[in-house]
Amino acid sequence: ETGVTQSPTHLIKTRGQQVTLRCSSQSGHNTVSWYQQALGQGPQFIFQYYREEENGRGNFPPRFSGLQFPNYSSELNVNALELDDSALYLCASSLDGGRYNSPLHFGNGTRLTVT
Amino acid sequence: DAKTTQPPSMDCAEGRAANLPCNHSTISGNEYVYWYRQIHSQGPQYIIHGLKNNETNEMASLIITEDRKSSTLILPHATLRDTAVYYCIVRGGTSYGKLTFGQGTILTVHP
Repeated sequence: ETGVTQSPTHLIKTRGQQVTLRCSSQSGHNTVSWYQQALGQGPQFIFQYYREEENGRGNFPPRFSGLQFPNYSSELNVNALELDDSALYLCASSLDGGRYNSPLHFGNGTRLTVT
Repeated sequence: DAKTTQPPSMDCAEGRAANLPCNHSTISGNEYVYWYRQIHSQGPQYIIHGLKNNETNEMASLIITEDRKSSTLILPHATLRDTAVYYCIVRGGTSYGKLTFGQGTILTVHP
């Protein structure tokens, strides 16, 4: 069974630039969610994709957007990067739109630094 | 989602049981209790979850009180590798099952 994999592991960008982060979900999982974890804080929910549609979103501005592909892999795009976007970005996969009894399994994240 | 309260830190001796408490007094009937842990610079690792019955797997046991207002995660024989931040999360309240992380408990296992 293949776990959740994310790429790249580390990334440095300049304020105002755009970034794309990638995630491959665990084998058999059809739902992907993204979380942002600032230093010293718990992860914060960004959004979730199920069957290639966004089915839930947290309190993040529209410059955070995503995609889910037919093979259930996913991308997180962030436009107009700000210094406060520096964080660990975590991808998690699960089953069936996030039903409560289906655990989320996380990747090890992408560490984004905005200078 | 119901709010959870955990102690900020706990210590445990290697080889002893680690008992991590969590209060979730506003939990609703269809909300699950989940436990995750996070070792520095890694993603959160799923440990266990339950609705109302006690649960056990190869990693831990979860004890949920009869009124469901609190729970305890038990690591039966703690090792140094169990040193991590442990998050107790009540999951439910939305159609898409997001996880709402708090500050968690920093568990330090001593030799």
